[in-house]
Amino acid sequence: KAGVTQTPRYLIKTRGQQVTLSCSPISGHRSVSWYQQTPGQGLQFLFEYFSETQRNKGNFPGRFSGRQFSNSRSEMNVSTLELGDSALYLCASSLASGRPQQYFGPGTRLTVL
Amino acid sequence: AQKVTQAQTEISVVEKEDVTLDCVYETRDTTYYLFWYKQPPSGELVFLIRRNSFDEQNEISGRYSWNFQKSTSSFNFTITASQVVDSAVYFCALSELTGNQFYFGTGTSLTVIP
Repeated sequence: KAGVTQTPRYLIKTRGQQVTLSCSPISGHRSVSWYQQTPGQGLQFLFEYFSETQRNKGNFPGRFSGRQFSNSRSEMNVSTLELGDSALYLCASSLASGRPQQYFGPGTRLTVL
Repeated sequence: AQKVTQAQTEISVVEKEDVTLDCVYETRDTTYYLFWYKQPPSGELVFLIRRNSFDEQNEISGRYSWNFQKSTSSFNFTITASQVVDSAVYFCALSELTGNQFYFGTGTSLTVIP
């Protein structure tokens, strides 16, 4: 079974731009969660999607948004990028919400210049 | 509020030594899950072990073992006979019973010296 895939793997943007990251969960998994990892803040939960609905949201500004499609693929969008948004963005999939076994993708490393 | 603390920032051991990674957690939930993940330089978080709060039985899986003590809110992880390939950052995480939000510790960077 293929694992969680994330595209692109690396991204360089400039301040003020917006970016969209994509995550394809493991086949059959319907829950997708997003995390931001930075040296200063560590791993922080962004949001979780299940059945195309946002189930839970972390403490991030409204510039961070996401969505999930009917095939469970998910995208997250960051608008008006700031230097502090430079991070590794990790996506995790699980069978369903409330099924805490999560499998992580390789991440997208975003650099904001 | 949920919180996970990994007091050890960096650990270095010589190959074949045993090493224990400490994890202390806080939660008001009576039922929850605890995890250990490994993050090699490639960046992907690799699942190692999971334990639910109502099962305090400690187990050994190959070179990995864990010690879950609810009374002290600790979930320590031991690697026996460490190998160079074990070099990575190790994260302890807590999850509520509902929802899939993980609370991660700050990680322990393990270096195994050949």
